[in-house]
Amino acid sequence: GAVVSQHPSWVICKSGTSVKIECRSLDFQATTMFWYRQFPKQSLMLMATSNEGSKATYEQGVEKDKFLINHASLTLSTLTVTSAHPEDSSFYICSALPLAGGDGYTFGSGTRLTVV
Amino acid sequence: QKEVEQNSGPLSVPEGAIASLNCTYSDRGSQSFFWYRQYSGKSPELIMFIYSNGDKEDGRFTAQLNKASQYVSLLIRDSQPSDSATYLCAVSHGSSNTGKLIFGQGTTLQVKP
Repeated sequence: GAVVSQHPSWVICKSGTSVKIECRSLDFQATTMFWYRQFPKQSLMLMATSNEGSKATYEQGVEKDKFLINHASLTLSTLTVTSAHPEDSSFYICSALPLAGGDGYTFGSGTRLTVV
Repeated sequence: QKEVEQNSGPLSVPEGAIASLNCTYSDRGSQSFFWYRQYSGKSPELIMFIYSNGDKEDGRFTAQLNKASQYVSLLIRDSQPSDSATYLCAVSHGSSNTGKLIFGQGTTLQVKP
């Protein structure tokens, strides 16, 4: 089945630094990838929709200058959390839609970000 | 009103029983409905999807969709302790391959041995 690889699995960074999270579709091409954030005991909140070759579409309330998304190829999307602060600590998860179609959305394994 | 609503639980059932998880959604234009299971600290894994009114069965799982009532449910037969997890209902506004997913808050299921 479709596999989405997400790295790193966890990261600890100092406040004010930037962190890049990668999301790769390993055995399929994806024109669209989604980035979610999940705080403890809460559900997944969609942050943005990433489209290959174009600008990402951000959900209301998500700062596009803080959460930079790049989708330069059909197999790779990256999320960069810039000038991270402790309140950005969360579980970040990507998901991908296969270009070829199919049912369901494949999720990456998630990245646990802790900002200290 | 939230777009996708679930009872957060916890829902506790004994081993071997049927667990019934419910979800309502607000957008009548929604076309695709998904159930995901999420273990603590892990990302969601797809259990089932359903597009048409009625029931869809896959092993111990049955998804039920009623678009008129804007209601989707998941039944888990012969519940096992390993089924203990948070179950997320997700709705897509577009077709299955174009729309973003909106998640409910999830229902925590506890299956007691």
